This record gives sequence, C-alpha cells and structure tokens, in this order.
Amino acid sequence: DSGVTQTPKHLITATGQRVTLRCSPRSGDLSVYWYQQSLDQGLQFLIQYYNGEERAKGNILERFSAQQFPDLHSELNLSSLELGDSALYFCASSVVGLNGDIQYFGAGTRLSVL
Amino acid sequence: LAKTTQPISMDSYEGQEVNITCSHNNIATNDYITWYQQFPSQGPRFIIQGYKTKVTNEVASLFIPADRKSSTLSLPRVSLSDTAVYYCLVGDISSGSARQLTFGSGTQLTVLP
Repeated sequence: DSGVTQTPKHLITATGQRVTLRCSPRSGDLSVYWYQQSLDQGLQFLIQYYNGEERAKGNILERFSAQQFPDLHSELNLSSLELGDSALYFCASSVVGLNGDIQYFGAGTRLSVL
Repeated sequence: LAKTTQPISMDSYEGQEVNITCSHNNIATNDYITWYQQFPSQGPRFIIQGYKTKVTNEVASLFIPADRKSSTLSLPRVSLSDTAVYYCLVGDISSGSARQLTFGSGTQLTVLP
C-alpha cells in the first residue's frame, strides 16, 4: 500500500459527460501529480500541484482541469468526454528523496467512456 | 525536455542478473534519473533513483556514466515475480521546478522459469 488513495476505482460514463477523479496524497506529501495511461501505452504526465498551486503542466487537454485543496487532496476534472479518454488515471504524491523527488502512486481510476 | 529510449522488451531466466538501459541524450544538469516498476493495472512503484555514478539499494543498482546520457538498471538474481514493465523517468521535479516529466515507453521484462 503506497498510502495514496484514489477514488473511485472504476468509472463508466458516456461521451459528452463530465467526471471528477479524487486523490488523497500520503500524509505530509505536498506534491500531487496526475498521469494518464491508455491501453498498452506509457504514462503521460498531465499536471503537478504543490501545496495548492499548479507547479508543472504536461500534455493536459483543455477539457481537463485539476486543483489541489487546502487539505492537500486533489481532484482531476474531465469534461466533454470522448471515447479516447478511456484510460487508467493515476495520481502520485511525492516526498523529496536524497537525490530528488520520489513519487508514490495510487492504484488508479479506470475510466471507461462508452 | 529529456526524451528517454528503452528496449521494448527483454526476457530472462530466474536467478540471472538483468540489465535494462535507458538512453537520455538530452538530459539537463538538474535532472535526476528514477526507475519505476509497474505490474498490470497497478500504479508504478519506485525502485531506485540517482544523479551520477552508482547507486545501490536492497533491490537494485543504478549505473550512470559520467556523461549521464544513459543509465542502466541492474536487477540481481531475478525471480518470476519480477516480471513487469520497468520505466525510466528523467526530470527535475524538485521544489521550484516547472519542467515537464518524461516517462520512457517502458521495458516489458519477462522472467522465465
């Protein structure tokens, strides 16, 4: 158990809909990252928040947005969903290791857009 | 933006040492190299991290040459349970940085009995 909690585990919805994925980081971790992993694909970095502020942005679509709340949990909002948005969405939180940040990943939310 | 290249797949036998190399020609001065392991439908798990030379922990070693344009993850005496995808990540994600993170395409390691 990494200590990072993601809910829900599974989400099935229809095209055009909007969903919210939730992530609770490990206790004490200030950074939260979101990744998308499509079937048989690598991990695509979406966005990073650090202590409530956006810190780094990856290939995140304009239809997607995220935020980190004062209690440090984060939400990823996906709107106007398309079939191609079906994927595993991972959240990670990080602690600074001896050589840099180490990310701890949650179990993921599997999104199916029908 | 440091792009990484890894072999798509590797096969090994139980008890052997496995070396997986990641190329990152455009690595920047402030970039660290981190390796993760991922089992199907699970989140990646941290294995090891380094900046230069050699790092060793209880599960793996990481070799980084002086020019830092590549790195090699070494898994000693693999077992069937080491069958997984291994990712190389290069990036500067320390506080204050806004650089993007780049995961490689991953290497599917299959350990055979």
